[in-house]
Amino acid sequence: GGIITQTPKFLIGQEGQKLTLKCQQNFNHDTMYWYRQDSGKGLRLIYYSITENDLQKGDLSEGYDASREKKSSFSLTVTSAQKNEMAVFLCASSIHKSNERLFFGHGTKLSVL
Amino acid sequence: GDSVTQTEGQVTVSESKSLIINCTYSTTSIAYPNLFWYVRYPGEGLQLLLKVITAGQKGSSRGFEATYNKETTSFHLQKASVQESDSAVYYCALGEDGTQVVGQLTFGSGTRLQVYA
Repeated sequence: GGIITQTPKFLIGQEGQKLTLKCQQNFNHDTMYWYRQDSGKGLRLIYYSITENDLQKGDLSEGYDASREKKSSFSLTVTSAQKNEMAVFLCASSIHKSNERLFFGHGTKLSVL
Repeated sequence: GDSVTQTEGQVTVSESKSLIINCTYSTTSIAYPNLFWYVRYPGEGLQLLLKVITAGQKGSSRGFEATYNKETTSFHLQKASVQESDSAVYYCALGEDGTQVVGQLTFGSGTRLQVYA
């Protein structure tokens, strides 16, 4: 079996700061995703990547950048953290352009002071 | 747009009792939606519990069942007899036919199930 590893598990930032979240998968999956979950709300797609060096915007891409330099890794950057922001960011992967099965990481919990 | 509405907040059930977590969906763009239930156990990542791609069919896994009802646009999750190990957060999700479109799922807000002995 494989695993998706997200780092860090907890991230505390300052207002206006640029923050980077990392995700690694060893499934050899083509497609990777970043989701955001706010308290009481469903998961919302920020960015996804069909293959290495590909980037596609999701519904929530404003305020974020993403990078897929290698097939196994997909990073997400919060370009300017918002004061009192709190959310969990989930990375996921799937074999290729299919939603047959998504494998998720454990999440990165972001708090902005 | 697309949306998924499920039982909000936390559901507390005694061990061996039955469970139902409601899920209804709405879509204006997907002709043949696929429906999913995902689960997150304490300390673990989100994982697929079951999936149904055809209206009228039932999916099952680990004693849980859900029937895709196109008439009522529902996909309720049920289990006849829950166990403490079922305590987790459950997410209902909606997506397009996986053979056509990159996996973009619309998730509900999650329902926390707490089973006590």
